[in-house]
Amino acid sequence: NAGVTQTPKFRVLKTGQSMTLLCAQDMNHEYMYWYRQDPGMGLRLIHYSVGEGTTAKGEVPDGYNVSRLKKQNFLLGLESAAPSQTSVYFCASSREETQYFGPGTRLLVL
Amino acid sequence: ILNVEQSPQSLHVQEGDSTNFTCSFPSSNFYALHWYRWETAKSPEALFVMTLNGDEKKKGRISATLNTKEGYSYLYIKGSQPEDSATYLCAFYTGANSKLTFGKGITLSVRP
Repeated sequence: NAGVTQTPKFRVLKTGQSMTLLCAQDMNHEYMYWYRQDPGMGLRLIHYSVGEGTTAKGEVPDGYNVSRLKKQNFLLGLESAAPSQTSVYFCASSREETQYFGPGTRLLVL
Repeated sequence: ILNVEQSPQSLHVQEGDSTNFTCSFPSSNFYALHWYRWETAKSPEALFVMTLNGDEKKKGRISATLNTKEGYSYLYIKGSQPEDSATYLCAFYTGANSKLTFGKGITLSVRP
């Protein structure tokens, strides 16, 4: 039982490049979330999903897109990366309100 | 946007000291208050979920209390140890879509 996994662990992008972060969970959770963590800002919700095929905006959705084609996977896309998107990205999943977090993806945009 | 405040922002204590943190949250639309522990280079892990006014939860040397009427929760650590060094997050839950609103966290550093 791997819990919540994230791919990749670390990535460096140039401004304008695109990439997709993958989150996978094997706990059959309905809800999945993408957060970003920046110094002094805590965890801020980017997008979330309440079930397969659904997505919704969180607190800071601009510049990101998401998809939940399969229940176990939640993808976060950056179409045109900007230096302001340098951050650590955490994925989480839940059945009810207790969330289980992945190990994080560190992204550096130059 | 819901306002979840944590204080102090950081705390440095000596091994053996007891310490406590505050989390304040809106007293309306309350469903649950969560505490998470977040060690450096790891991911946040749930400590407590508190739902009832007056609730008190305990796990080893760590305990938490809840006052939903005035909108605050305290987290206590008795006899801090270096392994307690971490960031402690509280999160407010209104019952909508399982979304949590996190505070910015309190970073605890315990010196041996």
